[in-house]
Amino acid sequence: KAGVTQTPRYLIKTRGQQVTLSCSPISGHRSVSWYQQTPGQGLQFLFEYFSETQRNKGNFPGRFSGRQFSNSRSEMNVSTLELGDSALYLCASSPRTSGGGELFFGEGSRLTVL
Amino acid sequence: AQRVTQPEKLLSVFKGAPVELKCNYSYSGSPELFWYVQYSRQRLQLLLRHISRESIKGFTADLNKGETSFHLKKPFAQEEDSAMYYCALRGANSGGSNYKLTFGKGTLLTVNP
Repeated sequence: KAGVTQTPRYLIKTRGQQVTLSCSPISGHRSVSWYQQTPGQGLQFLFEYFSETQRNKGNFPGRFSGRQFSNSRSEMNVSTLELGDSALYLCASSPRTSGGGELFFGEGSRLTVL
Repeated sequence: AQRVTQPEKLLSVFKGAPVELKCNYSYSGSPELFWYVQYSRQRLQLLLRHISRESIKGFTADLNKGETSFHLKKPFAQEEDSAMYYCALRGANSGGSNYKLTFGKGTLLTVNP
């Protein structure tokens, strides 16, 4: 089985722009979660989608949004980029329809905001 | 609120020595605890979870609810154990739909030859 695939792997944006990141989960996985990883804050939960519905949301401003499609693929969007949004954005998928905790991570999309 | 604390950013041991990576948590309900590992140039992956009570790659971890700890242990460290280790918590009172994990900030383990 192919692993979780994230695109693009690297991108550079300037302040004020917006960005869209894509995640393809492992085939059959219906839950997709997003995490932001920075040296200072570590891994922080952004949101989680299951069956095209946002199930949980972390403590991030409304500039961070996401969605999930019927094929379980997910996108996250960050609008009005700030320097502090520079981070590695990790997507993770899970096979479970309930419970959870075992996440399969992608390699991440590294965003640099100049 | 959920919180996971890994007090050591860096831990260095010699090959064959015992290793213990500390993890303390704060959660009002009954949590599920996990250890994730990230080897150099690899993606983050699950190492073990407390529910399974299993030993993976020689590592074990016991959930101590009294001390709110979930320390990761291995009696004889190997060079290939060098990696970043993250402790993570999931609240278990969410009706089965919660996939949110709260991660500690990680401990970088280096096993020297």
